[in-house]
Amino acid sequence: NAGVTQTPKFRVLKTGQSMTLLCAQDMNHEYMYWYRQDPGMGLRLIHYSVGEGTTAKGEVPDGYNVSRLKKQNFLLGLESAAPSQTSVYFCASSYSQLAGGHPNEQFFGPGTRLTVL
Amino acid sequence: AQSVSQHNHHVILSEAASLELGCNYSYGGTVNLFWYVQYPGQHLQLLLKYFSGDPLVKGIKGFEAEFIKSKFSFNLRKPSVQWSDTAEYFCAVNAYSSASKIIFGSGTRLSIRP
Repeated sequence: NAGVTQTPKFRVLKTGQSMTLLCAQDMNHEYMYWYRQDPGMGLRLIHYSVGEGTTAKGEVPDGYNVSRLKKQNFLLGLESAAPSQTSVYFCASSYSQLAGGHPNEQFFGPGTRLTVL
Repeated sequence: AQSVSQHNHHVILSEAASLELGCNYSYGGTVNLFWYVQYPGQHLQLLLKYFSGDPLVKGIKGFEAEFIKSKFSFNLRKPSVQWSDTAEYFCAVNAYSSASKIIFGSGTRLSIRP
């Protein structure tokens, strides 16, 4: 199993450009999450999904959109990148031991380092 | 606002010293609690978790954490640290009132002097 993979690993954008980050998991997990990691601020939740076709806002959703058309994929989009979105982006997936239960431990991808000039 | 606080931003210890990293959360009601570790250049991995039962939980690599409900705390401990414990440590909380959100603290960077 590959676990959680993220594409791309690195990206440099100019202000105003758009891009999509792809997260894929092969563990059949229901829950998927997008976080950004910035120095001194830990991981902040951007958006998350509790199942195929569903998404919800996290702590810092502004400037980002997400889609979960397939259970194994969770896409994070930046429509018009800004320098404040320079960060390392982590995707995570999780499962519930009970149907409809709360998420268990998260499995993280290797991250995408994004620089917006 | 609901939050997860890790007040120690950077901790420096010598090898064999004891470690305690603080984690406090502001959510009421039932919570699931996690500690994750991020070694340099690697992604996050689970150290331990608490869902219910014995409030003292043991994790990998000799780490343990104690859930004190009255103090809204879930502090991480290790009796004797090693140089290989140099990493960043994150506390995370899933509050039942917040559905499936998992919120992280700001992290504590641990540096171990050999």
